Amino acid sequence: DGGITQSPKYLFRKEGQNVTLSCEQNLNHDAMYWYRQDPGQGLRLIYYSQIVNDFQKGDIAEGYSVSREKKESFPLTVTSAQKNPTAFYLCASSIGWTRGGNIQYFGAGTRLSVL
Amino acid sequence: AQKVTQAQTEISVVEKEDVTLDCVYETRDTTYYLFWYKQPPSGELVFLIRRNSFDEQNEISGRYSWNFQKSTSSFNFTITASQVVDSAVYFCALSGASGGSYIPTFGRGTSLIVHP
Repeated sequence: DGGITQSPKYLFRKEGQNVTLSCEQNLNHDAMYWYRQDPGQGLRLIYYSQIVNDFQKGDIAEGYSVSREKKESFPLTVTSAQKNPTAFYLCASSIGWTRGGNIQYFGAGTRLSVL
Repeated sequence: AQKVTQAQTEISVVEKEDVTLDCVYETRDTTYYLFWYKQPPSGELVFLIRRNSFDEQNEISGRYSWNFQKSTSSFNFTITASQVVDSAVYFCALSGASGGSYIPTFGRGTSLIVHP
C-alpha cells in the first residue's frame, strides 16, 4: 500500500531538547513538504524539498532543520531554538514540482507537546 | 502573492441539511490550480478535487459539488444532504503555474460539524 508514514504519532519535548519527526514515503514522489498546523491557523509551510540533497525554507523555518538524503525520507528536527513547538506537524509529498497543480498526499501527522 | 480566504471558521448543521463552504482567492498568475482537501478527526488531509483556471465547469461527485467562478475569484464547495461522516475540517488551497509560486497556499480551514 503506497503512502506516507509519519512517526511517532505523539511526541513530547523537554526544555532545551532537539527532537526529530520522521516522514517516509513509498510513492516515488520527488517533492516533499513539512507543515505546521495550529488551531485556527491553517497549514504553514516549514520546509520543502524538490529533489534529493536539496531543500528550501518555507514561511516559518526558524527553529527547524531538515535533511533529504534519500528520496523516500524527509525528517524534520525541531531544535531548542524553536520556543513554541507545540503543534500538529504534517508531512506531504507530490509527484513533482513544475507547473504547479500537483496533488499533495499527506501523512497522519505527529502531535508535538512540550513537557 | 497568493492568498486564500475561508471566512467561515466553523459551521454547524443538522444531518441532511445542505451546506456550502466558501473559498475566495487572490493571485496574479494567469494559470493556477485550486484544490479542496478534507481533514477528518484522524488528522490526515485527503485530496477531494483540483481545478485549473481555464476550466470553470462546475463539478459534481455524489453529494459533493464545486462552483468555480473566476469573476468573483471563488471556488465554493457544497455538500448536499450532509452526514455525520462529513464532520471534518475542510481546506481550500491555491497554487500558481505561470511563473508564480508553485507552492500551494492554504486557507485557514472551515470546521464542519454535522449533528445527528
